[in-house]
Amino acid sequence: AQSVTQPDIHITVSEGASLELRCNYSYGATPYLFWYVQSPGQGLQLLLKYFSGDTLVQGIKGFEAEFKRSQSSFNLRKPSVHWSDAAEYFCAVEHYSGGGADGLTFGKGTHLIIQP
Amino acid sequence: DADVTQTPRNRITKTGKRIMLECSQTKGHDRMYWYRQDPGLGLRLIYYSFDVKDINKGEISDGYSVSRQAQAKFSLSLESAIPNQTALYFCATSDYLSSGYTFGSGTRLTVV
Repeated sequence: AQSVTQPDIHITVSEGASLELRCNYSYGATPYLFWYVQSPGQGLQLLLKYFSGDTLVQGIKGFEAEFKRSQSSFNLRKPSVHWSDAAEYFCAVEHYSGGGADGLTFGKGTHLIIQP
Repeated sequence: DADVTQTPRNRITKTGKRIMLECSQTKGHDRMYWYRQDPGLGLRLIYYSFDVKDINKGEISDGYSVSRQAQAKFSLSLESAIPNQTALYFCATSDYLSSGYTFGSGTRLTVV
């Protein structure tokens, strides 16, 4: 069965510093991978997704992620964080069968705290 | 209007009561999903539907039922609510080609 691991429950970063959020997945086939962000009291917003092709994916709000098949990883990065980036971040892998998309399996999330 | 609308936004109910959460979408997507979010556990899939006649159980379907009334409507029912069903519930949609998932704003359910 597919699974997603986000090893860091909480991460604290100073404003203006770089950020990397880790994500490891387990999936038998070529994975379709996603990063979502959830601001306090809000729903989920898609940051970026990887389906195939270039392993470095650009997303919204200055985020990028790199797919590394050899490491089963899909880490999220941002060169300089802003206070507004404080939120919960979720990595997810899609189940995909002959019938199409079956839904997402999410990691448990990483809570990002931004220090002034 | 939002692409995926969930009602109600917040609900407090008593143990043993039946409650229905509703979801409607204007995306024209065939596939609809119900997820539950608990602090520290991420989102977990309860049920999903590929079309009106195709309903599938997800990871945590016990204690829940669903109804796909139309392509655009997918409701989640708790037949007899219990306190550990207190959570944030999200509806989502996608199309066959998985161009992406669209989530509703969530329903915060409290069972007392």
